[in-house]
Amino acid sequence: GNSVTQMEGPVTLSEEAFLTINCTYTATGYPSLFWYVQYPGEGLQLLLKATKADDKGSNKGFEATYRKETTSFHLEKGSVQVSDSAVYFCALQMDSSYKLIFGSGTRLLVRP
Amino acid sequence: GAVVSQHPSWVICKSGTSVKIECRSLDFQATTMFWYRQFPKQSLMLMATSNEGSKATYEQGVEKDKFLINHASLTLSTLTVTSAHPEDSSFYICSAHDSSYEQYFGPGTRLTVT
Repeated sequence: GNSVTQMEGPVTLSEEAFLTINCTYTATGYPSLFWYVQYPGEGLQLLLKATKADDKGSNKGFEATYRKETTSFHLEKGSVQVSDSAVYFCALQMDSSYKLIFGSGTRLLVRP
Repeated sequence: GAVVSQHPSWVICKSGTSVKIECRSLDFQATTMFWYRQFPKQSLMLMATSNEGSKATYEQGVEKDKFLINHASLTLSTLTVTSAHPEDSSFYICSAHDSSYEQYFGPGTRLTVT
């Protein structure tokens, strides 16, 4: 079946450090891929997405590239801020159902 | 962007009672809404897909008689946890998609069953 695997957290970084959160997927077909962010006490927000191979999604300094050959969609940011502290979820969506399948989430803690 | 609200944001109920959670799309019409359950420090698990004017579609392993879903209008879906027990304590999240099929998530409802 379809699934998403994320690196376990928590990830603790100092402000201005480089961030990578790994995400790989298994899917029968060609899914759309997403990163969602959940700030403390809030609902999930779409961070970025990519709908086909080699697409790069970007938003607020975060980037992720849809790599079909490695079935990956790793999240990166060149310089994290304290305000980036949150839980990040990788997810896939098969067009036929519009259901989202989430990874387990990775908690990021950025220290000043 | 589109806004989805949930009510209540938290609720405490006694074992054996039922509790209703509302999910509303505030500025768009949502023919489809989704209900998720999130355990502490874990991912979201899709419980069911709620379609306006028809029966909900439940995921495997989710008891449809325990988790009653009603999608009576294009802006409102409700989840009723019937005869709640402590193991039903969890964070329940709804989402809705607009005409572009982008999903917008509610802030969640924390249910505690004592």
